[in-house]
This record gives sequence, C-alpha cells and structure tokens, in this order.
Amino acid sequence: GENVEQHPSTLSVQEGDSAVIKCTYSDSASNYFPWYKQELGKRPQLIIDIRSNVGEKKDQRIAVTLNKTAKHFSLHITETQPEDSAVYFCALTSGTYKYIFGTGTRLKVLA
Amino acid sequence: SAVISQKPSRDICQRGTSLTIQCQVDSQVTMMFWYRQQPGQSLTLIATANQGSEATYESGFVIDKFPISRPNLTFSTLTVSNMSPEDSSIYLCSITGTGRYNEQFFGPGTRLTVL
Repeated sequence: GENVEQHPSTLSVQEGDSAVIKCTYSDSASNYFPWYKQELGKRPQLIIDIRSNVGEKKDQRIAVTLNKTAKHFSLHITETQPEDSAVYFCALTSGTYKYIFGTGTRLKVLA
Repeated sequence: SAVISQKPSRDICQRGTSLTIQCQVDSQVTMMFWYRQQPGQSLTLIATANQGSEATYESGFVIDKFPISRPNLTFSTLTVSNMSPEDSSIYLCSITGTGRYNEQFFGPGTRLTVL
C-alpha cells in the first residue's frame, strides 16, 4: 500500500531561523497533501494543505511545496517562534477519505 | 467549522474491561472516523463509522475488538473491548469538512491507560 516517509524525526532550530520538513511518497495518484500540527496533549490541527495541481502555497510564515515528479512535498516555516514547537505530521490521500500519515517530526524552537 | 467533542477525555482502566468512547459533532457530517495514536507515534485509522450500517475496518482492526456505532449523522461511539496494556493510546475521532478534498478535522482525543 501507499507509504509516506517523513524526515527528519526531530528538528531543533534557533528562534528566528527556518525549519523544513520533507515527506516522500510512492503513489502517483495521491492528489491532496495536508500538514497537521500537534501540540503536546492537544489534537492534530490542520495548518496548511496543497492540491496536486499547485506547486506551492503560502500562509504567512508557513509554506508548502509539492514536487509531483519527484513525489515529495515539504513544509517550510520561516522566522520560527517558540510557539511553533510541536509535532508536525504530513499526510496524503488519493481522493478518497483515507489519509496516510507520516511518522511525524518533533520541532523544537530554541529561544 | 464544526465543533467536535469526545468523552471521556481520559481514563485509566483495568486489564480485561471495556471502555466506550463517545464522539459528538454539533452539525451533521457525512464521514466520521476513528484513529489510534500510540504513545509517541503517528495516527492510524481504525475504521470509518458509517451511519446506518456496519463500520468499515482497516487492516489489523476487527469489529470484535473495536465495535463502533453510528446511530445518526452527529454521533458515534468506539468501544475498546477486553483491554490490555497494549491498548493504551490516544483515540481520536475525526470528520471530513465540506471541501472537495475531504479535509479532516479531529476531536480532542481520549487518552486511555490500561493497567
């Protein structure tokens, strides 16, 4: 079945620096790629998503890029702040309800 | 967007017992799902809760262990049966939004500890 590899598993950055998390996948039919942020003890929250017909999407300090040819998509967080510290999950679906989640990246922003 | 609530928020249970988790949404939704998140792990889909019919289970999950009810379009329950310590996890319900790409939104989760 479909598989999503997410890297790195942990990431520490200085406040103000950028953070990049990458996910690779194998199913070329995948067409929707959301990213979730999960703070400690909280539910996963959808923070940004991208459709397969778009290469990049931005929302203030976060952006997602998609390379369909290489089958990878990445989350970019600029000017990181301590409140960005959380676990981030990528996910994908091929148009059905079923999501496949990545293994998660624990981001720590050091003040 | 819809408000999703779950009960209980957390519980500590003894081995061999069962726990029923409730998921309530403040509006009618077509799709409701149940996920498991083991400690420090990612999210794994247990099943899709179908209104008026039996749930659709993912590989590795069976109805006898995780019976699910969906009596209407705003409510679902997940029961974790005959629990063992390996069932200690966070259980989350989720719903799809109204967008074309089935964006999913999660309930607050139920943290289950089995002793």
